[in-house]
Amino acid sequence: GENVEQHPSTLSVQEGDSAVIKCTYSDSASNYFPWYKQELGKGPQLIIDIRSNVGEKKDQRIAVTLNKTAKHFSLHITETQPEDSAVYFCAASDNDMRFGAGTRLTVKP
Amino acid sequence: NAGVTQTPKFRVLKTGQSMTLLCAQDMNHEYMYWYRQDPGMGLRLIHYSVGEGTTAKGEVPDGYNVSRLKKQNFLLGLESAAPSQTSVYFCASSPPGGITGELFFGEGSRLTVL
Repeated sequence: GENVEQHPSTLSVQEGDSAVIKCTYSDSASNYFPWYKQELGKGPQLIIDIRSNVGEKKDQRIAVTLNKTAKHFSLHITETQPEDSAVYFCAASDNDMRFGAGTRLTVKP
Repeated sequence: NAGVTQTPKFRVLKTGQSMTLLCAQDMNHEYMYWYRQDPGMGLRLIHYSVGEGTTAKGEVPDGYNVSRLKKQNFLLGLESAAPSQTSVYFCASSPPGGITGELFFGEGSRLTVL
């Protein structure tokens, strides 16, 4: 089955800096790669996703890149703000979605 | 719309006790899921359902049972709770297309088994 590894497990940045979270996956059949944000005491919420026929996708300050050859994908957050502080999860799926272990991002004002 | 609602939000059980977690969604979604979240392990799928009256095993199904008698509800049962089942449980739903589209999560149910 699919195995997803996520790094780093914790990330601390200054407000205004960029943050990058990286994930690798094992199953070359995976074709859908979502990113979820989980705020304290809440359930995860989708923030951006990418499918295997696309190399990059942007939504305002958030972008995701996908390298299918190397089986890795990354989340990029630019101009970070304190409200970006949360736990972020990557996932990879064909018909079996597997999540990474999560990255706790702290944005210091 | 409330989205996905889980009850109860907190529960403490003794080893061997049974309980049921209820998930309700008002988005008319076909697919529903139960995940558990443990520190350092992300979200792991316990059971899922692709429609009313159907259920299937996920990655970590042992010790749990589920039922989907109505489209809007998905129940997760623990027949004989064990300390290893201490976790935060999340229910999610999605339209058809399921696991290759957005999942809508509830706010979680924290279960402690003593």
